[in-house]
Amino acid sequence: DSGVTQTPKHLITATGQRVTLRCSPRSGDLSVYWYQQSLDQGLQFLIQYYNGEERAKGNILERFSAQQFPDLHSELNLSSLELGDSALYFCASSVAGVGPSSGNTIYFGEGSWLTVV
Amino acid sequence: AQKITQTQPGMFVQEKEAVTLDCTYDTSDQSYGLFWYKQPSSGEMIFLIYQGSYDEQNATEGRYSLNFQKARKSANLVISASQLGDSAMYFCAMREFSSNTGKLIFGQGTTLQVKP
Repeated sequence: DSGVTQTPKHLITATGQRVTLRCSPRSGDLSVYWYQQSLDQGLQFLIQYYNGEERAKGNILERFSAQQFPDLHSELNLSSLELGDSALYFCASSVAGVGPSSGNTIYFGEGSWLTVV
Repeated sequence: AQKITQTQPGMFVQEKEAVTLDCTYDTSDQSYGLFWYKQPSSGEMIFLIYQGSYDEQNATEGRYSLNFQKARKSANLVISASQLGDSAMYFCAMREFSSNTGKLIFGQGTTLQVKP
């Protein structure tokens, strides 16, 4: 158990709909990351939040948005869903560390399987 | 540009034998970290081992060790005494610390099958 909790584990929804994926980071971790894993794109970084603020943005579509709340949990909102959005969405977390020797291990949750039909 | 290359799409190993999964990386940063993750068929992403670019010793975690060759930009994962439960997809990933983000760049993965 990584300590990162994601809900829901599985979700089936129709095209055009909107869903929200939720993530609780490990206790003490200030950074939350969202990744998308699909067969054709592999693992893609979407966005990072650090202590409530957006820190980095990757290949996140405009139809997608995220936020991190004061209690450090995060939500990823996916709207106007398309068939191609079907994927495994991971949340990950880490403590705020500096330098390569401080560990800075990034732990992943079990993922949320999204199927758009 | 930062890049992770895993050249072995699939590997087989006999139970109880050791296996090496290859990973090469490309970065212009001096300060970076290298990770290995295991993804079983159930889908979760399990952290295995971490190596910092300034770490002089190769990282080890139980049956996992990382063969870090900085000059060759390689970070191969060695699994000793393979077990049936080691059958999974394995991903190598890199984090560049100059970006001041935690963004990981992943390779395409290697599927490992352990034969009884």
